[in-house]
Amino acid sequence: QVQLQESGPGLVKPSGTLSLTCAVSAGSISSTHWWTWVRQPPGKGLEWIGEIYHSGTTNYNPSLKSRVTILLDKSNNQFSLKLTSVTAADTAIYYCARKASVAGTAYYGLDVWGQGTTVTVSS
Amino acid sequence: DIQMTQSPSSLSASVGDRVTITCRAGQTIGTYLNWYQQKPGKAPRLLIYAASSLQSGVPSRFSGSGSGPDFTLTISSLQPEDFATYYCQQSYSATWTFGQGTKVEIK
Repeated sequence: QVQLQESGPGLVKPSGTLSLTCAVSAGSISSTHWWTWVRQPPGKGLEWIGEIYHSGTTNYNPSLKSRVTILLDKSNNQFSLKLTSVTAADTAIYYCARKASVAGTAYYGLDVWGQGTTVTVSS
Repeated sequence: DIQMTQSPSSLSASVGDRVTITCRAGQTIGTYLNWYQQKPGKAPRLLIYAASSLQSGVPSRFSGSGSGPDFTLTISSLQPEDFATYYCQQSYSATWTFGQGTKVEIK
């Protein structure tokens, strides 16, 4: 069973860059899946940040696109998130997740999730 | 962006109750609609995909229906472990969006 684990600094200064990594275990990041980042501000709902395919193709949330970069690190079987020019509004739990074809159909869902990591933006 | 609107934002119900949550998309999305359950302090869990198909391991008391812009998630007989927040999410466009969530609380 594939497992995902987020890691990175829990505190980032305003105007700085948030950098997180998601390690994939019991599975290959080069498999035919999309690898996704989702965040959740304290007490609020889920926000899709973006995704990367094993080929390197990316899709980003239009509201974050100018600040977000998602990259693959195939040698370490992990993928990463960089978010620049952060403000307090970027304080959230950040989840990585696998987007997969469900039951071999044409429909996709986020079927495996990491436990999440809390990032606070504060000076 | 395709906007997803859920209602109600929260509801109170008793064990054994039938519960229905609705989700409306800002445009037609066919049946490209997923439902997730999230318990406090935990990551979300995929419940339903393709609007009405149950993810493996999900109890049959959960069901989904709808197409186009309007969808529903129904819990036929609410169990203690079902008290959680539920999110719809569209997978129609290349950029995904979630509804704002519906919190199901104990009455």
